[in-house]
Amino acid sequence: TQLLEQSPQFLSIQEGENLTVYCNSSSVFSSLQWYRQEPGEGPVLLVTVVTGGEVKKLKRLTFQFGDARKDSSLHITAAQPGDTGLYLCAGDSGFGNEKLTFGTGTRLTIIP
Amino acid sequence: NAGVTQTPKFQVLKTGQSMTLQCAQDMNHNSMYWYRQDPGMGLRLIYYSASEGTTDKGEVPNGYNVSRLNKREFSLRLESAAPSQTSVYFCASSEIPGSNQPQHFGDGTRLSIL
Repeated sequence: TQLLEQSPQFLSIQEGENLTVYCNSSSVFSSLQWYRQEPGEGPVLLVTVVTGGEVKKLKRLTFQFGDARKDSSLHITAAQPGDTGLYLCAGDSGFGNEKLTFGTGTRLTIIP
Repeated sequence: NAGVTQTPKFQVLKTGQSMTLQCAQDMNHNSMYWYRQDPGMGLRLIYYSASEGTTDKGEVPNGYNVSRLNKREFSLRLESAAPSQTSVYFCASSEIPGSNQPQHFGDGTRLSIL
């Protein structure tokens, strides 16, 4: 069973600060997705990273896929209250696997 | 834009009762999934259907059954509810299974078993 551990589990910071959350595994993934989930709603896809070492930017959010494709990070610059939510990473092992493995989640709170 | 629709949104059951959670998608997606979400455990896959006419077990299938009624609809049934099945249940769909495809989620069914 492939496991994805996210850290930290909870993070509460002031508006305007920078932060990084991590998604780690001992398994190799062919691709990795990041989702954000707001209270009372389902997760929504933010980005997919495919190539080892890949960096993708989405406004103030920067996503990186590790060189060995076993880990990923999400960096938020100048956090805003609208960034509050549960961030989930999800890996696709490829090789004909039809399923995603979801991480344990990081619950982020941005204090105005 | 409906996307993925789940019913009901909330449900309270007594131990031993049965119920079916309904899910429908209007995006002509081939693959559909049922997850449960518990605090600190992310999303765990219960069952999935890679294409119409097929279903397979996920990580935590015990106590559940599914039916892929047609391409649009994928239902989850609890035959004899147990308190351990108290959770938030999410249905999702994707155009094709895995392979970098985004999954589109419904807003969940909050289920409490007393």
